[in-house]
Amino acid sequence: AQSVTQPDIHITVSEGASLELRCNYSYGATPYLFWYVQSPGQGLQLLLKYFSGDTLVQGIKGFEAEFKRSQSSFNLRKPSVHWSDAAEYFCAVGAGNAGNMLTFGGGTRLMVKP
Amino acid sequence: GAVVSQHPSWVICKSGTSVKIECRSLDFQATTMFWYRQFPKQSLMLMATSNEGSKATYEQGVEKDKFLINHASLTLSTLTVTSAHPEDSSFYICSAQRVDTGELFFGEGSRLTVL
Repeated sequence: AQSVTQPDIHITVSEGASLELRCNYSYGATPYLFWYVQSPGQGLQLLLKYFSGDTLVQGIKGFEAEFKRSQSSFNLRKPSVHWSDAAEYFCAVGAGNAGNMLTFGGGTRLMVKP
Repeated sequence: GAVVSQHPSWVICKSGTSVKIECRSLDFQATTMFWYRQFPKQSLMLMATSNEGSKATYEQGVEKDKFLINHASLTLSTLTVTSAHPEDSSFYICSAQRVDTGELFFGEGSRLTVL
């Protein structure tokens, strides 16, 4: 069965600083990988996804992620964090039809210092 | 963009009552919808896959008689929490898989509090 690990439960960065959120997965085949963001009490918004092809994926809001098969990782990055980026971030691996049966990591809560 | 609406967004009920949560795709058709449960400050756990016109597929450990899922149309899936108890209090989130593109869209979630 697939699994996702997000090693960092909380991360605090200063506004304008760079950000990297870690994600490691376990999956028997080529994975469908996703990053979602969740604001308090809200649903999930898709930041980006990887299905195949270029291992560096560009997403919305200036985020990008790199798929590294050798490390079973799909880390999320942003060069300059904005205060509005404070939220909970979830990495997920997908199975099933179109990879839409998602297994989520535990999430990383991002706090942004002014 | 595609919108998935959940109703109610929050509900408080007494222990022993049943609560129905709707997941509706507003501008696209979805033969498949997924129901997740999220405990406070925790991740989302897949409960079941809802398929239009057929029985839902439940994940291991999820009581199908407790969490009734009905996907009667291409735009609506419902989750009914039967005989709710305080331990059923949670944030329930649905997602809908668009028929034409396969893309997945999440609802805003429904917070259930059982007193």
